[in-house]
Amino acid sequence: KAGVTQTPRYLIKTRGQQVTLSCSPISGHRSVSWYQQTPGQGLQFLFEYFSETQRNKGNFPGRFSGRQFSNSRSEMNVSTLELGDSALYLCATSTGGTVQNTEAFFGQGTRLTVV
Amino acid sequence: AQKITQTQPGMFVQEKEAVTLDCTYDTSDPSYGLFWYKQPSSGEMIFLIYQGSYDQQNATEGRYSLNFQKARKSANLVISASQLGDSAMYFCAMRQGGTSYGKLTFGQGTILTVHP
Repeated sequence: KAGVTQTPRYLIKTRGQQVTLSCSPISGHRSVSWYQQTPGQGLQFLFEYFSETQRNKGNFPGRFSGRQFSNSRSEMNVSTLELGDSALYLCATSTGGTVQNTEAFFGQGTRLTVV
Repeated sequence: AQKITQTQPGMFVQEKEAVTLDCTYDTSDPSYGLFWYKQPSSGEMIFLIYQGSYDQQNATEGRYSLNFQKARKSANLVISASQLGDSAMYFCAMRQGGTSYGKLTFGQGTILTVHP
Protein backbone atom coordinates (compact mmCIF):
# COMPACT_ATOMS: atom_id res chain seq x y z
CA LYS A 1 0.00 0.00 0.00
CA ALA A 2 1.55 3.27 -1.10
CA GLY A 3 1.99 6.02 1.45
CA VAL A 4 1.14 9.71 1.22
CA THR A 5 2.98 11.31 -1.69
CA GLN A 6 3.83 14.98 -1.82
CA THR A 7 5.31 16.66 -4.86
CA PRO A 8 7.60 18.35 -5.43
CA ARG A 9 9.96 17.67 -2.54
CA TYR A 10 11.87 20.90 -2.94
CA LEU A 11 10.97 24.19 -4.54
CA ILE A 12 12.68 27.56 -4.90
CA LYS A 13 10.53 30.50 -5.91
CA THR A 14 10.93 34.25 -6.18
CA ARG A 15 8.89 36.76 -4.19
CA GLY A 16 5.65 37.61 -5.94
CA GLN A 17 5.39 34.32 -7.78
CA GLN A 18 2.80 31.68 -7.08
CA VAL A 19 3.28 28.01 -6.31
CA THR A 20 1.18 24.85 -6.35
CA LEU A 21 1.91 21.86 -4.14
CA SER A 22 0.36 18.44 -4.53
CA CYS A 23 -0.63 15.71 -2.07
CA SER A 24 -1.77 12.23 -3.10
CA PRO A 25 -3.35 10.37 -0.17
CA ILE A 26 -3.22 6.75 0.78
CA SER A 27 -5.79 4.76 -1.17
CA GLY A 28 -9.16 5.03 0.55
CA HIS A 29 -8.28 8.20 2.44
CA ARG A 30 -10.74 11.00 1.74
CA SER A 31 -9.52 13.58 4.25
CA VAL A 32 -6.48 15.69 3.42
CA SER A 33 -5.11 18.33 5.78
CA TRP A 34 -2.30 20.78 5.11
CA TYR A 35 0.20 22.18 7.61
CA GLN A 36 2.94 24.77 7.48
CA GLN A 37 6.04 24.17 9.59
CA THR A 38 8.51 26.95 10.34
CA PRO A 39 11.19 27.21 13.06
CA GLY A 40 9.46 30.21 14.60
CA GLN A 41 5.81 29.20 14.50
CA GLY A 42 6.04 25.43 14.62
CA LEU A 43 3.34 23.38 12.93
CA GLN A 44 0.28 25.36 11.94
CA PHE A 45 -2.91 24.07 10.38
CA LEU A 46 -3.80 25.53 7.00
CA PHE A 47 -6.96 23.74 5.92
CA GLU A 48 -8.64 20.38 5.51
CA TYR A 49 -10.55 18.89 2.60
CA PHE A 50 -12.95 16.00 2.69
CA SER A 51 -14.82 14.72 -0.36
CA GLU A 52 -13.81 17.77 -2.39
CA THR A 53 -15.12 20.21 0.23
CA GLN A 54 -13.12 22.42 2.53
CA ARG A 55 -14.49 21.77 6.00
CA ASN A 56 -11.96 23.50 8.20
CA LYS A 57 -9.58 26.40 7.76
CA GLY A 58 -6.75 27.85 9.83
CA ASN A 59 -5.74 31.47 10.29
CA PHE A 60 -3.87 32.13 7.10
CA PRO A 61 -4.37 34.92 4.58
CA GLY A 62 -6.39 34.40 1.43
CA ARG A 63 -3.18 33.95 -0.56
CA PHE A 64 -3.26 30.38 0.69
CA SER A 65 -5.88 28.27 -1.00
CA GLY A 66 -6.49 24.67 -1.79
CA ARG A 67 -8.72 22.22 -3.51
CA GLN A 68 -9.42 18.53 -3.65
CA PHE A 69 -10.21 16.41 -6.66
CA SER A 70 -12.62 13.51 -7.02
CA ASN A 71 -9.76 11.03 -6.56
CA SER A 72 -9.00 12.72 -3.20
CA ARG A 73 -5.72 14.20 -4.41
CA SER A 74 -5.31 17.70 -3.07
CA GLU A 75 -3.41 20.76 -4.14
CA MET A 76 -2.58 23.87 -2.24
CA ASN A 77 -1.70 27.14 -3.89
CA VAL A 78 0.13 30.13 -2.54
CA SER A 79 -0.09 33.31 -4.56
CA THR A 80 2.09 36.41 -4.36
CA LEU A 81 4.79 34.63 -2.41
CA GLU A 82 6.51 36.38 0.49
CA LEU A 83 9.81 35.56 2.12
CA GLY A 84 7.91 34.45 5.22
CA ASP A 85 6.20 31.71 3.23
CA SER A 86 9.47 29.76 3.22
CA ALA A 87 8.59 26.63 5.15
CA LEU A 88 8.08 22.90 5.10
CA TYR A 89 4.56 22.16 3.92
CA LEU A 90 3.14 18.87 5.09
CA CYS A 91 -0.07 17.11 4.25
CA ALA A 92 -1.78 14.48 6.36
CA THR A 93 -4.45 12.06 5.22
CA SER A 94 -6.99 9.82 6.88
CA THR A 95 -10.15 7.95 6.02
CA GLY A 96 -12.55 10.40 7.59
CA GLY A 97 -10.81 12.81 9.89
CA THR A 98 -13.26 12.35 12.73
CA VAL A 99 -11.99 12.32 16.26
CA GLN A 100 -12.63 8.59 16.53
CA ASN A 101 -10.38 7.99 13.56
CA THR A 102 -7.05 6.72 14.74
CA GLU A 103 -5.16 7.57 11.60
CA ALA A 104 -3.31 10.62 10.40
CA PHE A 105 -0.42 9.78 8.09
CA PHE A 106 1.86 12.41 6.68
CA GLY A 107 3.73 12.79 3.46
CA GLN A 108 7.43 13.64 3.29
CA GLY A 109 6.66 17.31 2.83
CA THR A 110 7.53 19.99 0.33
CA ARG A 111 10.30 22.34 1.34
CA LEU A 112 9.56 25.75 -0.16
CA THR A 113 12.19 28.45 -0.26
CA VAL A 114 11.20 31.96 -1.32
CA VAL A 115 14.07 34.21 -2.41
CA ALA B 1 -9.30 26.48 23.29
CA GLN B 2 -7.32 23.40 22.47
CA LYS B 3 -3.64 23.48 23.36
CA ILE B 4 -0.74 21.07 23.53
CA THR B 5 2.30 21.75 25.69
CA GLN B 6 5.64 20.00 25.48
CA THR B 7 7.86 21.48 28.18
CA GLN B 8 11.11 19.72 27.27
CA PRO B 9 12.86 21.47 24.37
CA GLY B 10 15.60 18.84 24.42
CA MET B 11 16.21 15.48 26.04
CA PHE B 12 19.26 13.25 26.20
CA VAL B 13 19.28 9.51 26.80
CA GLN B 14 21.85 6.76 26.77
CA GLU B 15 21.43 4.02 24.20
CA LYS B 16 19.35 1.06 25.52
CA GLU B 17 17.81 3.13 28.30
CA ALA B 18 14.20 4.26 28.52
CA VAL B 19 13.09 7.86 28.10
CA THR B 20 9.84 9.71 28.77
CA LEU B 21 8.76 12.69 26.67
CA ASP B 22 6.17 14.88 28.34
CA CYS B 23 2.95 16.18 26.81
CA THR B 24 0.05 17.96 28.47
CA TYR B 25 -3.10 19.08 26.72
CA ASP B 26 -6.00 21.34 27.35
CA THR B 27 -9.47 20.74 26.02
CA SER B 28 -13.03 20.93 27.24
CA ASP B 29 -14.21 18.39 24.69
CA PRO B 30 -14.76 14.91 26.20
CA SER B 31 -14.00 13.29 22.84
CA TYR B 32 -10.48 13.66 21.50
CA GLY B 33 -7.52 11.72 20.17
CA LEU B 34 -3.85 12.10 20.98
CA PHE B 35 -1.01 11.33 18.59
CA TRP B 36 2.75 11.15 18.79
CA TYR B 37 4.95 11.68 15.76
CA LYS B 38 8.68 11.41 15.11
CA GLN B 39 10.30 13.84 12.72
CA PRO B 40 13.86 13.03 11.64
CA SER B 41 16.03 15.64 9.99
CA SER B 42 14.63 14.59 6.60
CA GLY B 43 11.37 16.29 7.59
CA GLU B 44 8.79 13.56 7.21
CA MET B 45 6.38 13.03 10.09
CA ILE B 46 6.30 9.41 11.18
CA PHE B 47 3.23 8.23 13.10
CA LEU B 48 4.17 6.44 16.31
CA ILE B 49 1.14 5.91 18.52
CA TYR B 50 -2.48 6.95 19.10
CA GLN B 51 -4.61 7.21 22.25
CA GLY B 52 -8.32 7.93 22.24
CA SER B 53 -9.93 9.76 25.13
CA TYR B 54 -12.31 6.87 25.77
CA ASP B 55 -9.65 4.18 25.62
CA GLN B 56 -9.43 2.36 28.93
CA GLN B 57 -5.90 1.11 28.48
CA ASN B 58 -2.68 2.88 27.61
CA ALA B 59 -1.67 2.46 23.99
CA THR B 60 1.43 0.49 23.09
CA GLU B 61 3.23 0.03 19.78
CA GLY B 62 6.42 -1.98 19.98
CA ARG B 63 8.97 0.04 21.95
CA TYR B 64 6.55 2.97 22.25
CA SER B 65 3.94 3.30 24.94
CA LEU B 66 1.73 6.18 25.91
CA ASN B 67 1.27 6.98 29.60
CA PHE B 68 -2.24 8.43 29.48
CA GLN B 69 -3.42 10.21 32.64
CA LYS B 70 -6.76 11.67 31.74
CA ALA B 71 -7.43 13.52 34.99
CA ARG B 72 -4.07 15.25 34.74
CA LYS B 73 -4.53 15.80 30.99
CA SER B 74 -1.16 14.30 30.20
CA ALA B 75 -0.11 11.90 27.46
CA ASN B 76 3.56 11.14 27.89
CA LEU B 77 5.45 9.04 25.36
CA VAL B 78 7.72 6.35 26.76
CA ILE B 79 10.42 4.92 24.51
CA SER B 80 11.98 1.77 25.90
CA ALA B 81 15.45 0.51 24.98
CA SER B 82 16.46 3.67 23.08
CA GLN B 83 18.34 3.26 19.82
CA LEU B 84 20.63 5.68 18.00
CA GLY B 85 18.00 5.91 15.26
CA ASP B 86 15.53 7.34 17.77
CA SER B 87 17.38 10.67 17.67
CA ALA B 88 14.85 13.07 16.17
CA MET B 89 12.22 15.69 16.96
CA TYR B 90 9.08 14.32 18.62
CA PHE B 91 5.68 15.98 18.44
CA CYS B 92 2.56 15.44 20.48
CA ALA B 93 -0.70 16.33 18.71
CA MET B 94 -4.41 16.36 19.48
CA ARG B 95 -7.48 15.97 17.33
CA GLN B 96 -10.77 17.14 18.83
CA GLY B 97 -14.35 16.36 18.01
CA GLY B 98 -17.06 18.64 16.74
CA THR B 99 -16.21 21.00 13.93
CA SER B 100 -12.46 20.49 14.23
CA TYR B 101 -12.85 17.44 11.99
CA GLY B 102 -9.38 16.31 10.94
CA LYS B 103 -7.42 19.24 12.30
CA LEU B 104 -4.43 18.36 14.45
CA THR B 105 -3.03 20.78 17.01
CA PHE B 106 0.67 20.26 17.71
CA GLY B 107 2.96 20.96 20.60
CA GLN B 108 6.30 22.70 20.16
CA GLY B 109 8.21 19.45 19.97
CA THR B 110 11.06 17.83 21.91
CA ILE B 111 14.45 17.09 20.35
CA LEU B 112 15.66 13.70 21.55
CA THR B 113 19.33 12.83 21.33
CA VAL B 114 20.44 9.26 21.96
CA HIS B 115 24.06 8.85 23.02
CA PRO B 116 26.02 5.62 22.34
